[in-house]
Formats: sequence, C-alpha cells, structure tokens
Amino acid sequence: DAKTTQPNSMESNEEEPVHLPCNHSTISGTDYIHWYRQLPSQGPEYVIHGLTSNVNNRMASLAIAEDRKSSTLILHRATLRDAAVYYCILRVVVYNQGGKLIFGQGTELSVKP
Amino acid sequence: DVKVTQSSRYLVKRTGEKVFLECVQDMDHENMFWYRQDPGLGLRLIYFSYDVKMKEKGDIPEGYSVSREKKERFSLILESASTNQTSMYLCASGSIFGETQYFGPGTRLLVL
Repeated sequence: DAKTTQPNSMESNEEEPVHLPCNHSTISGTDYIHWYRQLPSQGPEYVIHGLTSNVNNRMASLAIAEDRKSSTLILHRATLRDAAVYYCILRVVVYNQGGKLIFGQGTELSVKP
Repeated sequence: DVKVTQSSRYLVKRTGEKVFLECVQDMDHENMFWYRQDPGLGLRLIYFSYDVKMKEKGDIPEGYSVSREKKERFSLILESASTNQTSMYLCASGSIFGETQYFGPGTRLLVL
C-alpha cells in the first residue's frame, strides 16, 4: 500500500499562512491525495483532495507537484481553531467499490496567538 | 449535514468480555469503515463494508469481526476483549461515488 510521510509537528502564528508538506513517492497513477484534519477529541474531518491539478476550497488550497510525489496543504490565514493534526492520505481506488483511505502519522499543527 | 453516530463515547470492559461497538449513518452511504487510533500509530483500518452483508478485511482485522445487516448500521465486534484492544475506535461512512469519508466522534474503549 502506498504510504505518505509528513513532519511530526509544525508551528504557526495566527493570521499567517501555513504550508504543510507531504511526500508520497510511491503514489500510483489512480491514487487521489486527500487531506483530513482531526481537532482534539473529535473524529477526522475532510479538508480537501486532488489528483493532478492544484485545488482550492473555502478551507484550504492543495498544491500537487508535477510528478505527484509530493503535495502541500496551504492554510492561507491560520486561526487558533486550525490547531489540529493534519493527515495526508492516499485514497486507493478499487473499481466499482469506492476507495479506502491509508492514513499516515499526521502533522500536529500548533497556532500561536 | 451528514451525521455518523457511535453508540458510546467511553466504554470500560473486562478481559474476555464480548464487546459491541455500534455505528449509524443517516446519509444512505454504501461504504462504512471501522478504524482504531493509537498514539504513535495513527489511524489503522480494521474492516470495511461496501454494501449490506458485505465485509472486507482492512489492515488489522485480527481479533475483530463486523456485521452489516442494514445499510445504515455497521457494528464492530470484539469476540473476547483483550487489553491490547484498548484504543480509540472511529467509524466512518462515504458514498460509493463520493470522495469524502465522514467520521463519527469515536469510542474510547478501555479493557481491564
């Protein structure tokens, strides 16, 4: 199964941009790159996903390297509520059966006021 | 809003007991998943189901079984609980064509 590698922890200041890196050198052509985050005492929640092109939504942006071996989650202005563990995940596509998520270790993001 | 509920937030059981963890989703999703989460190990997939009465082993199925008799409900069963099954258990659901999994709040199980 394809794996991801992320830094264990990162720090950010409030209202500054945050770039969370992820390496996935063994990604296959059909694996989607997903990001989830987990706030304290909660289950993970979806943030964003992409296949080849960069993606934006109301929560974040996802920048995917041309060779797809790495990606970066961008939080444009970190808030205290963004303090969480961020997981970079490869979604394995199984034909006609949806897909399962392969979780890595995650990056614990702390945000300083 | 999608809602995934789990029967208990906290559970304490004794070694050897049979334990049932229930998960219910209200979005008519085909896919349902059970994960466990341990410090330093992240989330690991135990079992998943793509349809009623269908189940597939995940990465760590040993010591667990599952049941999916109705589309909205996915149960995780510990036939004989052991202390190494003390963990946070997370249920998730997603549509067969969708990209997103929706997670429940988790059940923290302590086996004494």
